[in-house]
Amino acid sequence: ETGVTQSPTHLIKTRGQQVTLRCSSQSGHNTVSWYQQALGQGPQFIFQYYREEENGRGNFPPRFSGLQFPNYSSELNVNALELDDSALYLCASSPVAGEVQGTQYFGPGTRLTVL
Amino acid sequence: AQTVTQSQPEMSVQEAETVTLSCTYDTSESNYYLFWYKQPPSRQMILVIRQEAYKQQNATENRFSVNFQKAAKSFSLKISDSQLGDTAMYFCAFQGAQKLVFGQGTRLTINP
Repeated sequence: ETGVTQSPTHLIKTRGQQVTLRCSSQSGHNTVSWYQQALGQGPQFIFQYYREEENGRGNFPPRFSGLQFPNYSSELNVNALELDDSALYLCASSPVAGEVQGTQYFGPGTRLTVL
Repeated sequence: AQTVTQSQPEMSVQEAETVTLSCTYDTSESNYYLFWYKQPPSRQMILVIRQEAYKQQNATENRFSVNFQKAAKSFSLKISDSQLGDTAMYFCAFQGAQKLVFGQGTRLTINP
């Protein structure tokens, strides 16, 4: 069983640029959630996707957007990067049925640095 | 809004000892899940244990167990026979409809 994977591992961008982060969900999982984790903090919910539609959003501006594809993989796009966007971005997938319904399993994360 | 509070920023114990990490939460929801996740220096967030709020029985996973007190909104994690590999940040998390709400974390160090 393949777990959640994310790419790239590390990324360095400059302020004002745009970035796309990618996530492949665990086999059998059809819901994907994205979180931002600043250094020394707990993760903060950005949004969740289910059946290719946004299914809940946290307190993040519209320049944070996402997509989910028919194979349940997902992208997080951030436009007009700001220095405060520097963080670890975590993707989590979860099944909507079964014994562990709703439980979120995380990928290894993408470390984004904005200079 | 839900909040999760971990009052112990750091803890340190000797290998083989038992350690308990504290967590309290606040919610008006009646149906929810609670989790403990572990984040070692490799930064991957790893699920340790899961508790459904409607279950009175405390969850256990090998050396890990929880003390879930629903009325007090308390959810502590007990690690028995601690091992060096247990060294990590531990996050308590609440899940209602969709999102996970995390606490600030407890940095646990297991000393040889």
